[in-house]
Amino acid sequence: NAGVTQTPKFQVLKTGQSMTLQCAQDMNHEYMSWYRQDPGMGLRLIHYSVGAGITDQGEVPNGYNVSRSTTEDFPLRLLSAAPSQTSVYFCASSYDIYEGVYGYTFGSGTRLTVV
Amino acid sequence: DQQVKQNSPSLSVQEGRISILNCDYTNSMFDYFLWYKKYPAEGPTFLISISSIKDKNEDGRFTVFLNKSAKHLSLHIVPSQPGDSAVYFCAAIIMTTDSWGKLQFGAGTQVVVTP
Repeated sequence: NAGVTQTPKFQVLKTGQSMTLQCAQDMNHEYMSWYRQDPGMGLRLIHYSVGAGITDQGEVPNGYNVSRSTTEDFPLRLLSAAPSQTSVYFCASSYDIYEGVYGYTFGSGTRLTVV
Repeated sequence: DQQVKQNSPSLSVQEGRISILNCDYTNSMFDYFLWYKKYPAEGPTFLISISSIKDKNEDGRFTVFLNKSAKHLSLHIVPSQPGDSAVYFCAAIIMTTDSWGKLQFGAGTQVVVTP
């Protein structure tokens, strides 16, 4: 199993550009989420989804959009990149809420730099 | 306002000795606490968890202790090995369907195990 796959691994954007960070899982997990990791802040939740067609906001949703058209994919869209969005982004998934207490499966991350 | 805090950004320990990582939290509603381990350029991986109704959970070299009255938990690694050198994140979650995916993370502690 590939687990949770994130692409690209690295990206440099200019301020104002848009892009989509891809996340795909092949474990038939219903629950998927996006976190960003910043120095001194740990990981903070951006958006999450409890199943296809259902998404909701996390702690730091501003500047990001998500959609969940299939169980496998959960892309994160930056509409107009800002330097404050420079971060490492992680996608995570789990089969259900209860499996979550045994740990979510994280992707290897996308390092984004906005100049 | 961060509800989960790791006040030690780094810890250096000799191989074979005990590593003790600390974590404090402010929300008494948390149902589960988790520890994640993260190597550079990889996503976090689940290490161990503990329910709020327990005070200790052990898995091999890793033991987590929970002191609810003090809102404090700690991770003990005995004996420490060079492969334990990583960033360790403390996380907590309230187990309702509304809160899935809303892991609250601490800022992390960088552990370095020296020969």
